[in-house]
Amino acid sequence: EVRLVESGGDLVQPGRSLRLSCTSSGFSFDEYAMSWVRQAPGKGLEWVGFIRSKPFGGTTEYAASVKGRFTISRDDSKSIAYLQMNSLKSDDTAVYYCTREEGYYDSRGYYHAPSGMDVWGQGTTVTVSS
Amino acid sequence: QSVLTQPPSASATPGHRVTISCSGSSSNIGSNYVYWYQQLPGTAPKLLIFANNQRPSGVPDRFSGSKSGTSASLAISGLRSEDEADYYCAAWDDSLSGWVFGGGTKLTVL
Repeated sequence: EVRLVESGGDLVQPGRSLRLSCTSSGFSFDEYAMSWVRQAPGKGLEWVGFIRSKPFGGTTEYAASVKGRFTISRDDSKSIAYLQMNSLKSDDTAVYYCTREEGYYDSRGYYHAPSGMDVWGQGTTVTVSS
Repeated sequence: QSVLTQPPSASATPGHRVTISCSGSSSNIGSNYVYWYQQLPGTAPKLLIFANNQRPSGVPDRFSGSKSGTSASLAISGLRSEDEADYYCAAWDDSLSGWVFGGGTKLTVL
């Protein structure tokens, strides 16, 4: 069974740091890019960022709202993706989901992931409050 | 303010058909696939439609997607009470180099 399980969510004070983990099973983790998506209480979905698979450099992209504060990494040997969150703000309070996508770049350098973010974890809750 | 625009709510009676729209721009919907996600209350989002109009295994053919230019739509026919959920559209945005979502549409089955 293909599965993603997030962990590490907690109550944390503003300005502090937190690291989330996304443990995968049931598929070849190293073949997939991994995204993090969050959902603030009562709000919609917001893409946080993603890390490409190693064949595509293993590099990252981030939403403007978290760039410079959040870092995504991956350990293919353990099939785990991480989200390091620094300088947390109250606006970062949300359920954080990890997802997988099978993406590639075409000859013009444009990204495609035909199957989309097709598997989601159950989410982990981060609350930023003093 | 979401990059993709959806109506905040939609409603219909059981057995009827409902359509949810999603509007974007040339850098997202206009040049990339559209995806639809269903989020039942208290659960994680689930992929409903990929690549504009493809259904993952297990998704009933009551659900269908379409795209034209910089807009897309999700249609649900033969509406059932268990379809009551939030629906989100998404697309890759070439200018932002990231995924963008619609604000979500809350579907009520009357």
